[in-house]
Amino acid sequence: GAVVSQHPSRVICKSGTSVKIECRSLDFQATTMFWYRQFPKQSLMLMATSNEGSKATYEQGVEKDKFLINHASLTLSTLTVTSAHPEDSSFYICSAPLGTSMFETQYFGPGTRLLVL
Amino acid sequence: QQQVKQSPQSLIVQKGGISIINCAYENTAFDYFPWYQQFPGKGPALLIAIRPDVSEKKEGRFTISFNKSAKQFSLHIMDSQPGDSATYFCAATMTSGGSNYKLTFGKGTLLTVNP
Repeated sequence: GAVVSQHPSRVICKSGTSVKIECRSLDFQATTMFWYRQFPKQSLMLMATSNEGSKATYEQGVEKDKFLINHASLTLSTLTVTSAHPEDSSFYICSAPLGTSMFETQYFGPGTRLLVL
Repeated sequence: QQQVKQSPQSLIVQKGGISIINCAYENTAFDYFPWYQQFPGKGPALLIAIRPDVSEKKEGRFTISFNKSAKQFSLHIMDSQPGDSATYFCAATMTSGGSNYKLTFGKGTLLTVNP
């Protein structure tokens, strides 16, 4: 199956610092990637759609200046949490769609656990 | 509001039993319905998916039943094993109309299979 990787897998930072999370599609190209946030025992909440070569599309209520997204190439999207605060602590997951025959589906990365102290 | 309602929130079954998780959707434009399995601290993994032109799809011990008229679909796990213990999410998406395959997730079901 298709593989999506994330780096780092876990990060601890001080309040006020910025943190960059990378999402890579390892064996396929993705013009679109998605970023999700998941709090403990909750579902995945879509934050934004990352588009290669154009601006990201943010979901309602997500601050685009706080969560900067850059889709630098067909295999890499980055999410930067700027001026992180403890309430930003969460599990961040990316996904990328891959077309196979008649269907396209999302392949998820392993997630990045962010803890802001 | 595009929603997918999932139940139950949690489920406990005995080894060898059948686990059943139900989902209902509202948007009739949805045309692709995947199920994901997530273990603690890991990203979701695609388990099985179905299109609304079929009423059932089976892959090994996992079966999706789909009722288009009722706008409901369910996951059945036969011969449930302790290793199946995980959180299961149903989802729905539109594969056309410029949606970019944005997924709408259910709230998840925590499945525990007792040995």
